[in-house]
Amino acid sequence: DVKVTQSSRYLVKRTGEKVFLECVQDMDHENMFWYRQDPGLGLRLIYFSYDVKMKEKGDIPEGYSVSREKKERFSLILESASTNQTSMYLCASSLYLGGTEAFFGQGTRLTVV
Amino acid sequence: GESVGLHLPTLSVQEGDNSIINCAYSNSASDYFIWYKQESGKGPQFIIDIRSNMDKRQGQRVTVLLNKTVKHLSLQIAATQPGDSAVYFCAENRDGNQFYFGTGTSLTVIP
Repeated sequence: DVKVTQSSRYLVKRTGEKVFLECVQDMDHENMFWYRQDPGLGLRLIYFSYDVKMKEKGDIPEGYSVSREKKERFSLILESASTNQTSMYLCASSLYLGGTEAFFGQGTRLTVV
Repeated sequence: GESVGLHLPTLSVQEGDNSIINCAYSNSASDYFIWYKQESGKGPQFIIDIRSNMDKRQGQRVTVLLNKTVKHLSLQIAATQPGDSAVYFCAENRDGNQFYFGTGTSLTVIP
């Protein structure tokens, strides 16, 4: 059974903290993605990675960075958390960019206070 | 019941009825589309996909229709069940790299 696992279901952090969201996939996929999901806005792409150490900005990269040191792991970093980064964060992986389905993790609900 | 694109984000249907969820996409060059289902507290799950060289694709109780002329995608669920209650998203692949998601339609099945 294919799996994308996000390290936390719920997180509460303080404004200004550095926050790490971790994602691991067991499908040997080349491509991994980070989205945020907000009511009325759907899923918006933050960053994606098509290979180890490679990354591309999505539609809303400001305030975020990513790290992909190993094929199976993709980390999202909030350098200095702000209240407007309170959201549901979803990690996904896919075999091919854009041409096959993406498999999603269960999501991390982050609250910044 | 039927929803209309992004302007009617909720849909309620009686158990056993058919559901139709609609989605308007923006780019005539988009060549691959996916419907996802997201249950409360979970990540989106793949339901069915369709490529632009097809008009229709059927799965188990679900059918996706693609009308490229008007850039419209629909998901039909036959004999809707309580377990179908969820938010449904369409996603289009515009540029070969990433998917763009609609805001979703919340389907509620009334027993």
